[in-house]
Amino acid sequence: QKEVEQNSGPLSVPEGAIASLNCTYSDRGSQSFFWYRQYSGKSPELIMSIYSNGDKEDGRFTAQLNKASQYVSLLIRDSQPSDSATYLCAVINSGGYQKVTFGIGTKLQVIP
Amino acid sequence: GAGVSQSPRYKVAKRGQDVALRCDPISGHVSLFWYQQALGQGPEFLTYFQNEAQLDKSGLPSDRFFAERPEGSVSTLKIQRTQQEDSAVYLCASSLGDRGIETQYFGPGTRLLVL
Repeated sequence: QKEVEQNSGPLSVPEGAIASLNCTYSDRGSQSFFWYRQYSGKSPELIMSIYSNGDKEDGRFTAQLNKASQYVSLLIRDSQPSDSATYLCAVINSGGYQKVTFGIGTKLQVIP
Repeated sequence: GAGVSQSPRYKVAKRGQDVALRCDPISGHVSLFWYQQALGQGPEFLTYFQNEAQLDKSGLPSDRFFAERPEGSVSTLKIQRTQQEDSAVYLCASSLGDRGIETQYFGPGTRLLVL
């Protein structure tokens, strides 16, 4: 079992719809969770971080964390074609310092 | 200010050659990370520096891989006797502190192709 699991997709949604991206992790002691966006041929860029249970909203993006279920998700409202990218879930394990484990990434396609 | 820079951006090596990949982190950033990203995969952790100290090298795939950050700023990842399976994008990231919650800023990566 990989430490951070994501469906590789592709996930296709029509423009204007809500895209829902999901991630599960195995280390119950994990404390920090991130969503990165990676355009093809580019490096990852951070779009959301979340550290406590519940929802965190930033513009069209909402991150949701449920530590009991070891589940973190990212919702993108009013999806735009420019949101088409691979979304990487990343987790800092309970071992401390900053070792980040990434999932395989979910490829999102927003259809105009 | 300038972001994380990496050089070269592309490197083609013949199997058995040694390569050196450079990372210039954001000025003042304490933490520096190297990742390896194969096609269609997420970045895989290689090693971590806190200033000049290499605190974790558990992700280095073999003893052919070596990383250093002698003055706590620029870092070099060296791969000796390259193999075809080393072909990947090598990403460097830096962050301001060492508390485990700061944003990691990624460089553009070095795309290595071993023939």
